[in-house]
Amino acid sequence: GAGVSQSPRYKVAKRGQDVALRCDPISGHVSLFWYQQALGQGPEFLTYFQNEAQLDKSGLPSDRFFAERPEGSVSTLKIQRTQQEDSAVYLCASSLGLGRGEAELFFGEGSRLTVL
Amino acid sequence: QKEVEQDPGPLSVPEGAIVSLNCTYSNSAFQYFMWYRQYSRKGPELLMYTYSSGNKEDGRFTAQVDKSSKYISLFIRDSQPSDSATYLCAMSATYNNNDMRFGAGTRLTVKP
Repeated sequence: GAGVSQSPRYKVAKRGQDVALRCDPISGHVSLFWYQQALGQGPEFLTYFQNEAQLDKSGLPSDRFFAERPEGSVSTLKIQRTQQEDSAVYLCASSLGLGRGEAELFFGEGSRLTVL
Repeated sequence: QKEVEQDPGPLSVPEGAIVSLNCTYSNSAFQYFMWYRQYSRKGPELLMYTYSSGNKEDGRFTAQVDKSSKYISLFIRDSQPSDSATYLCAMSATYNNNDMRFGAGTRLTVKP
């Protein structure tokens, strides 16, 4: 596809369950970002990959959150032992590269997680 | 205090009105400033991009940056119902945007 694709679009989990959210970036995009967007708030940075390397994970709220991008393309955000405060939309974004003019972020439609 | 402050609104205007949206920030290292538009249940999409201080115009949209006041604005002229969305300001210190931070977003409704 032409854009960033995220799945599932909607996920309902019981408290304590593990969830995995998938992001397919635009083909050839080097940089990949995960953001968390709570209801009525702006996106909050979680983590950043350059190819397969996770260069910044300072935004991950706890050690229950884990992200990977093993082959430098598809990325998975995993949340273990989900809590109600994890309920949010998880947005993935990718950008072409690192040079000037290549840094525009293209966002997916998000995965909406509801923890009951 | 958050790095980026944005009044969440909501803001409701009649069709044809001029809309003014604003953000303030505290990190003086920010030098790349963006406005994103986010429709309901969609991801944000880039609307305007400005480097450092100054104005940038694109059709009905004008972005202004005042780094001395740490204040940025987005103006929408001749607003249309299709402009109804949440507008997010965002800014970064580096051009590759790996440190980009967003405001909370202002929800705008343009009534026909």
